[in-house]
Amino acid sequence: EAEVAQSPRYKITEKSQAVAFWCDPISGHATLYWYRQILGQGPELLVQFQDESVVDDSQLPKDRFSAERLKGVDSTLKIQPAELGDSAMYLCASSLQGPTYEQYFGPGTRLTVT
Amino acid sequence: AQSVTQPDIHITVSEGASLELRCNYSYGATPYLFWYVQSPGQGLQLLLKYFSGDTLVQGIKGFEAEFKRSQSSFNLRKPSVHWSDAAEYFCAVSGRRALTFGSGTRLQVQP
Repeated sequence: EAEVAQSPRYKITEKSQAVAFWCDPISGHATLYWYRQILGQGPELLVQFQDESVVDDSQLPKDRFSAERLKGVDSTLKIQPAELGDSAMYLCASSLQGPTYEQYFGPGTRLTVT
Repeated sequence: AQSVTQPDIHITVSEGASLELRCNYSYGATPYLFWYVQSPGQGLQLLLKYFSGDTLVQGIKGFEAEFKRSQSSFNLRKPSVHWSDAAEYFCAVSGRRALTFGSGTRLQVQP
C-alpha cells in the first residue's frame, strides 16, 4: 500500500537554528499539504500545493517559514530561524486532486526547539 | 469560514461498552466531513468520510457516523469498544479549502 513518507521523524534543534523537513507524497497525488499540530490540538494547515504551485499559504508565517515543491513531486518545509513556539508535530498529507478527495497523512516529524 | 467543535476533550469508556464522540461543524454549503484517528506520536488515519447520499456512513474498525444537517452534527459511534481503540479522534470539515480539524477527543478504554 502506497504511503506518504516524511523525514526526519524526530528533530531537536536550538533556537535560532535552521531546520528542514521533507515529504514524499503518494505517487500521482497532485495536491500536497503541510499541517502543524501543537500538542493537545488538531492539525492546522500551513500550506497547500497543487502540483508545484502554492494554492493556500495564508497561515504560513512567511517571515521564518518557507515551502517548496519543485517538479510537483516531493516537498520541503523550512524554518529559519526556529523559535521555541515552533515545537510541534509537522504533518504532510497528499490527495489525488484537491481537498474533496481523501487526504493520506504521513507519520509526521516531531520538532523540539530548545 | 469553516470550523469544527468537539465538545468532549477526554472520554473514558469500559471495554465492550458503546461509544459516541460528538462533532459539530460550521460551513455555509454542503460540507465534506471526516473522522480521523491518531495514535500517540503517529500520523492520522481516516476512519470514514461523508460527501453526499446516505447520512449514515460506515467506516473501518467497526465505526459509523451519522450526518445530521439540521443539527450541524457528525457524531462518531461504535457499538462495542476494544482496548485498541484508545487514541485521539479528530473530526474535520472540508470545502474548497483544506481540512479544518476540531481540537480532538482523547479516548481512554478501561479493562
